[in-house]
Amino acid sequence: DAGVIQSPRHEVTEMGQEVTLRCKPISGHNSLFWYRQTMMRGLELLIYFNNNVPIDDSGMPEDRFSAKMPNASFSTLKIQPSEPRDSAVYFCASRPQGVGTEAFFGQGTRLTVV
Amino acid sequence: AQSVTQLGSHVSVSEGALVLLRCNYSSSVPPYLFWYVQYPNQGLQLLLKYTSAATLVKGINGFEAEFKKSETSFHLTKPSAHMSDAAEYFCAVTGNQGGKLIFGQGTELSVKP
Repeated sequence: DAGVIQSPRHEVTEMGQEVTLRCKPISGHNSLFWYRQTMMRGLELLIYFNNNVPIDDSGMPEDRFSAKMPNASFSTLKIQPSEPRDSAVYFCASRPQGVGTEAFFGQGTRLTVV
Repeated sequence: AQSVTQLGSHVSVSEGALVLLRCNYSSSVPPYLFWYVQYPNQGLQLLLKYTSAATLVKGINGFEAEFKKSETSFHLTKPSAHMSDAAEYFCAVTGNQGGKLIFGQGTELSVKP
């Protein structure tokens, strides 16, 4: 398996533009997580899905952020409109079903909003 | 609810010295605990995990961690540091099947020659 695949790896956009980050989880995994990593706040859980259903989105910063998982092999994280403070590395991770299973991370998307 | 606290955002050791990275957890249910490592510009990789089978867990690259319920700790150790161990290390906790996976703030490990 190719692992968790995120695209794009780097994104530079202007303030006010819409940004869409994409994630393809590992086949057969039933949980998917979106995290944001910054120097100031560390690794924050934004939202996670089980079986394509959002379970907890309490970490989503505000209404400008939205996430979807239309099927088991694809998820998106959208920011509209983007702001400079959204600049961060965004990670997607997936996890198989089972007790104590670990999550597998993608390489991340480095977002810069100017 | 679950949370983890990593004591020390930066740890510096000499090559060949003991590595000790501290993690304390809080969990309302029996926890499952993980240590991940992140090298620059990469995603997180699993080092080891505790799933109640054994309190002393051995992982990759010579790392190990001991689960101590009485101290609510899961500290990561390695007897002898290598230059290639320089990275950021994260402790994480999840409480049950299908639950949140919550990370600590991370500890950056530097290894001096």
